[in-house]
Amino acid sequence: DAKTTQPTSMDCAEGRAANLPCNHSTISGNEYVYWYRQIHSQGPQYIIHGLKNNETNEMASLIITEDRKSSTLILPHATLRDTAVYYCIVRVKVQAAGNKLTFGGGTRVLVKP
Amino acid sequence: NAGVTQTPKFRILKIGQSMTLQCTQDMNHNYMYWYRQDPGMGLKLIYYSVGAGITDKGEVPNGYNVSRSTTEDFPLRLELAAPSQTSVYFCASSYPAGAGELFFGEGSRLTVL
Repeated sequence: DAKTTQPTSMDCAEGRAANLPCNHSTISGNEYVYWYRQIHSQGPQYIIHGLKNNETNEMASLIITEDRKSSTLILPHATLRDTAVYYCIVRVKVQAAGNKLTFGGGTRVLVKP
Repeated sequence: NAGVTQTPKFRILKIGQSMTLQCTQDMNHNYMYWYRQDPGMGLKLIYYSVGAGITDKGEVPNGYNVSRSTTEDFPLRLELAAPSQTSVYFCASSYPAGAGELFFGEGSRLTVL
């Protein structure tokens, strides 16, 4: 699986959009970009995933650049409950050998009032 | 649905003791995983299973054993506990198809003294 690079931490204001960048310059054509988050001491939670088109769900939007070498997770109206560590993971979507995830350090996001 | 359930939530062991962390899921997922997370770090894969009777090693399997006799259950056995096994353990499961996202339990916090 391709390696990802994320900022170690970032702050954002409550009610504003939070834009979380991720670099994955070695991504392969069949690899998807997945985002998970981990709220303090809880198990990671799936947020969204995409291949090359922009994706949106009830939690967030995912913007992938045309060359697919980077992406941005957007939390449209950050709340205090969005304070968490956010992980960007690149992976082949479904694998017969198991949909294993490789977690890096992630971005520690602090939403401030 | 309860999702992924882990027991116990907390446990203190003495060096050399053994114990089993229990994990059960009610989503009929074929794939199951055990991860550990040390303080301030990302998750590391210990073992995983793609179905009943099939298990394989992940990144950090030493000191652990697993079994998968049913689709629902995936226990993790610690033999001869060591202080280096002090960690938070997360069990997860996923479908082999669709988005392939992982669903995590709430974690089991283990301290070895």
